[in-house]
Amino acid sequence: GENVEQHPSTLSVQEGDSAVIKCTYSDSASNYFPWYKQELGKGPQLIIDIRSNVGEKKDQRIAVTLNKTAKHFSLHITETQPEDSAVYFCAASTGGYQKVTFGTGTKLQVIP
Amino acid sequence: EPEVTQTPSHQVTQMGQEVILRCVPISNHLYFYWYRQILGQKVEFLVSFYNNEISEKSEIFDDQFSVERPDGSNFTLKIRSTKLEDSAMYFCASSGLDGELFFGEGSRLTVL
Repeated sequence: GENVEQHPSTLSVQEGDSAVIKCTYSDSASNYFPWYKQELGKGPQLIIDIRSNVGEKKDQRIAVTLNKTAKHFSLHITETQPEDSAVYFCAASTGGYQKVTFGTGTKLQVIP
Repeated sequence: EPEVTQTPSHQVTQMGQEVILRCVPISNHLYFYWYRQILGQKVEFLVSFYNNEISEKSEIFDDQFSVERPDGSNFTLKIRSTKLEDSAMYFCASSGLDGELFFGEGSRLTVL
């Protein structure tokens, strides 16, 4: 089955700096890569996703890149703000209604 | 904005007791899921459900677990005889054809 690795497990940045979280996946059939933000005591919330027919996608301060050959994908957050502090999960799926396999999570702390 | 709702938010039970966790998915979604998150760990897939039957289940989803959509709006997860290791946060999710998952806020299960 799919295995998703995520690094780093914790990340502290100064407010205004950028944060980068990296993931790798194992199943070459995976073609949908969502990123979730989880705040304390809440469910995961989709913040951005990318499908395998594109290499990069951007939404305001958040961008994702995908390298299907290397089976790598990354989340970039620019101009970080204290409210960006949360646990971020990458995930992979073969698409449609198939299950989503989560990475191990990155706890991001943005220091004011 | 439509949302997935879950009840109860927290349930405490004795080992060996039956537990039912309830979810109301987003009304026009067709695919329903249960995921589990043990404290501080990643989100793990349990089961997916479509057209009134299980589409896929993980190794975690053994004979002690069952799911049901009893009335066209609710989606339930039953654990027949709870074990200590069932203590976790259980998240319900639903999706449309695009596979984008919407998660509920979760039900925390504590087995004593």
